[in-house]
Order: sequence, then C-alpha cells, then structure tokens
Amino acid sequence: QSALSQPASVSGSPGQSVTVSCTGTSTDVGGNNYVSWYQQHPGKAPKLVIYDVSSRPSGVSNRFSGSKSGNTASLTITGLQAEDEADYYCSSYGAKRMFGGGTKLTVL
Amino acid sequence: EVHLVESGGGPVQPGGPRRLSCAASGLTFSSSWMNWVRQAPGKGLEWVASISPDGTSKAYVDSVKGRFTVSRDNAENLLFLQMDSLRVEDTAVYYCVRDREYWTFDYWGQGTLVTVSS
Repeated sequence: QSALSQPASVSGSPGQSVTVSCTGTSTDVGGNNYVSWYQQHPGKAPKLVIYDVSSRPSGVSNRFSGSKSGNTASLTITGLQAEDEADYYCSSYGAKRMFGGGTKLTVL
Repeated sequence: EVHLVESGGGPVQPGGPRRLSCAASGLTFSSSWMNWVRQAPGKGLEWVASISPDGTSKAYVDSVKGRFTVSRDNAENLLFLQMDSLRVEDTAVYYCVRDREYWTFDYWGQGTLVTVSS
C-alpha cells in the first residue's frame, strides 16, 4: 500500500483540463518542495513530466503543470489530447522512497 | 543524449539468482545517484534500491533486503543488481534510473523483464 494516495482513474474530453491529486503527509509531500510526476504509456518506461512541485523538464509541454497545497500535490493537464492518455505517478522526497499508486488518465 | 540500457532479464526458478546490468552513457555516471525501480505486471512502480555515486551508501526496499545487492563500476559506467533467493513476487520489469536529486528520477532505461516461475 502506497503512502502517497492517488485516485485510480480520471478522465476528460479532448480540450478539457484534468487534475490528478497526490496526498501524502507532513513527512513527505507537505514537508518539502520535491514532488515529481511521471507519465507512463503502455509498454513504455516512465517519463518525468514535473519536478520540484511545479518545474517542467526541457521538452515537456507547457500543458502540464504542478502545484501543492499542504500535504496534497496536484498535476494539471490542460487542453487534453489523445496522446495524454497514460498512467501518471507521483513521488516525493521524504521518509521513504516510494511512488503513488498511479492514476489512469482516459481521454474520452 | 542519455542512454540507460538494462540487460540480464529472463526466466528464473524460485530460489535462483539473477544479475542485472545497466550500461550508462551521455551522463556523468560517476557523480550520479543510481536506482533500480521495478514494476510487476499490471501494477505500479516500486523503488527497489539506490546507490551513491561512490558506491559506499546503499538502500533497499524492505522486501528485498538481504536478497538483493546493488553495486556499480564507475570506470565502465555500469550499474548492477544481484538478485538472490528470487521469489515469484519479484517478477517484474526492472528499470535502471538516475536520481537527479531529492529522489527526482530524470532518466529511465527501457527496462528488462525478470520472470520468476517454476
């Protein structure tokens, strides 16, 4: 069982925005600014899309953004596209190295 | 361009050993924290092990402590995972991953599948 809690699934229509949450504790998400998000398409390796809560690696679309409030971090994807359909995982520096359980994003 | 290429996966019987390797290029390997992350079929990501740049500091997830050993060869830009006493539940794709800092995993290999079955 992951200490970082994510919804199992979210969905949205093309062009819409969706938000994926990641809830931890004061010893991880709430205690630092080192939350990261990973996108994984079926059969592929994960890809870093957000780090340090809200920074984007070079080459990642600006449709991806991150934020944090208290013990909950969020990944928001605006202008949904079919290619955004994937699994998304969060991770946070903290007491234990671990990932959230993952959220399956479906583009309707 | 950074490349992390894992090898060594395949079928193995319960209780048996397996050694995974990861060849790194395009990054300053000798100054990078490196990790192994696995993903069981249809499941989420699980961090397995990490090793400091000089190889003196290592950490493992509880479920593999005493069975898995992470090591590295900075002269050859290689990362290893020696897996002993393998269990069915160790079946997974194993990824070689670089930690840029504070457990942010910026570079991932393509993964190698280890299947533990009789």
